[in-house]
Amino acid sequence: GENVEQHPSTLSVQEGDSAVIKCTYSDSASNYFPWYKQELGKRPQLIIDIRSNVGEKKDQRIAVTLNKTAKHFSLHITETQPEDSAVYFCAASRFVGSQGNLIFGKGTKLSVKP
Amino acid sequence: NAGVTQTPKFRILKIGQSMTLQCAQDMNHNYMYWYRQDPGMGLKLIYYSVGAGITDKGEVPNGYNVSRSTTEDFPLRLELAAPSQTSVYFCASSSGPEAGYTFGSGTRLTVV
Repeated sequence: GENVEQHPSTLSVQEGDSAVIKCTYSDSASNYFPWYKQELGKRPQLIIDIRSNVGEKKDQRIAVTLNKTAKHFSLHITETQPEDSAVYFCAASRFVGSQGNLIFGKGTKLSVKP
Repeated sequence: NAGVTQTPKFRILKIGQSMTLQCAQDMNHNYMYWYRQDPGMGLKLIYYSVGAGITDKGEVPNGYNVSRSTTEDFPLRLELAAPSQTSVYFCASSSGPEAGYTFGSGTRLTVV
């Protein structure tokens, strides 16, 4: 079945620097790759997603890239701000027969120091 | 538009007790999910449903049961609670298997 590995588990950057979080997946049939941000004590919230027919997607300061051949995708945050501090989860779609769901990575705790 | 509503927000159970975690969504989503999140860990799928009357096991279903009698509601039942079930439980819904999830605010459960 699908397995999603996420690195690093913790990341500390200075305000204004860029942050990159990487994920790899195992199932070549996966087609959908969302990223979620979870602030302390809050629910995960979708921040950006990408589908397998697209190599890169950008939304203001965040971007996601996908390499289907290598089975990895990355989240890029530019000009980081203290409010970007949170745990970020990647996920990949998984299908069993006709039914599908998401398999999540273990998360990256991002700390942005002012 | 309330989105996904979970109740209760907090609960303390004694070993062996049972309870039902409630989840309701008002977005007419067919897909609903239950995940648990242990401290410092990711989200593990317990059960999911692709529509009323249809449920299936996820990665960690042991000790739990679900039902889906309506599109809106997807309750999670814990029978004979154990300390290993201490966790934060999130319900989520989506319009399809490859669509963004909307999560509820979570239920923090402690079993003592």
